[in-house]
Amino acid sequence: EVQLLESGGGLVQPGGSLRLSCAVSGFTFSSYAMSWLRQAPGKGLEWVSAISDNGGRTYYADSVRGRFTISRDNSKNTLYLQMNSLRAEDAAVFYCARDRKVYEFWGQGIRVTVSS
Amino acid sequence: EILMTQSPATLSVSPGERATLSCRASESLGSNLAWYQQKPGQAPRLLIYGASTRATGIPARISGSGSGTEFTLTISSLQPEDFAVYYCQQYNDWPPGTFGPGTKVDIK
Repeated sequence: EVQLLESGGGLVQPGGSLRLSCAVSGFTFSSYAMSWLRQAPGKGLEWVSAISDNGGRTYYADSVRGRFTISRDNSKNTLYLQMNSLRAEDAAVFYCARDRKVYEFWGQGIRVTVSS
Repeated sequence: EILMTQSPATLSVSPGERATLSCRASESLGSNLAWYQQKPGQAPRLLIYGASTRATGIPARISGSGSGTEFTLTISSLQPEDFAVYYCQQYNDWPPGTFGPGTKVDIK
């Protein structure tokens, strides 16, 4: 059974940092690109960042480039998103997903709240 | 960046009736279009990819059609579990895989 489990969310002040993790099981993690997506409260889906299967290529939405860093540890079957200089508009539920340009498998989501 | 639009924003349908959702792209996607279903408090679920191929476990009452810039998701006979928000997503120009704003299907 494929499972993706996000962790690391929570409340952070504007300008602060958080590191999200996504632990994966049920498929060969190192064979797939992975992405982070997010959904602000009451809003639609927004792709945030993607990383190739071996971590050699990374991609970012304009809204987070320079502030967020995606990475992965294939030995631990884990995907990461380091989020710095957080803004109020970054508040959302963040999802990790297996990326084959379509998102077949998703985590349950983790909430990030940015507020003073 | 390719812009995606969906119509209508809300579709009110009675159980057992047919629902037809539309998705339009600002430029041609070929068949590189996916549909997702999202229920409150849940992650999205992939329904359709390649414009018309059902994902694993998706019932035959859900179908996709279209190509180029115009796409349709049809649910032939709405079941209680089908009331949800539906998103289309283009992946012809990736990244990003841009999503439409969604269509909410609610009970009439």
